[in-house]
Amino acid sequence: AQSVAQPEDQVNVAEGNPLTVKCTYSVSGNPYLFWYVQYPNRGLQFLLKYITGDNLVKGSYGFEAEFNKSQTSFHLKKPSALVSDSALYFCAVTPRGGTYKYIFGTGTRLKVLA
Amino acid sequence: AAGVIQSPRHLIKEKRETATLKCYPIPRHDTVYWYQQGPGQDPQFLISFYEKMQSDKGSIPDRFSAQQFSDYHSELNMSSLELGDSALYFCASSPGTSGYNEQFFGPGTRLTVL
Repeated sequence: AQSVAQPEDQVNVAEGNPLTVKCTYSVSGNPYLFWYVQYPNRGLQFLLKYITGDNLVKGSYGFEAEFNKSQTSFHLKKPSALVSDSALYFCAVTPRGGTYKYIFGTGTRLKVLA
Repeated sequence: AAGVIQSPRHLIKEKRETATLKCYPIPRHDTVYWYQQGPGQDPQFLISFYEKMQSDKGSIPDRFSAQQFSDYHSELNMSSLELGDSALYFCASSPGTSGYNEQFFGPGTRLTVL
């Protein structure tokens, strides 16, 4: 079965420190990879995606993500965390050639401490 | 910029009642996806439409049905509601069915079944 894993339920980081939110996937082929952020009582906001090309992709609000094909990972990163980055982060994967429905990870709650 | 519109934002129903959730995609987006997010869970794919035809179906109960209309808006009809149907229901839209286009999510409809 195809799946996406976010091994950490919660990540705590001090403001100004770098942050990493991990995502690994078990999906056949070369899937498309996405990161979304969810604030309380809000919809999912798109951050960035990997389609092809450079393994390091840059997205909104200073976030970036590193794709590693051999490790089937797509970790989200930010060089300097802000308190306002505190939210729930979802990794989403969609296999190529299908109907492109998302398979979501279980989510990681990021808490940035002032 | 126009976003995905969902109505109503909140809905409270009794067991065995029916509910209709509506989704208005971003203009010129012809693909709509529905997801269900239970409390503390990741979003789960329910059903999708492309050009007014059902394109994929996930773990959607037989009590639920959906359609996409000529103006591309979509409705999710839920009958014989159960307590377990209480969740946040998201609609997302994208242009076409190319997986490299990210999905744009609406704010969600929070359904509470009493």
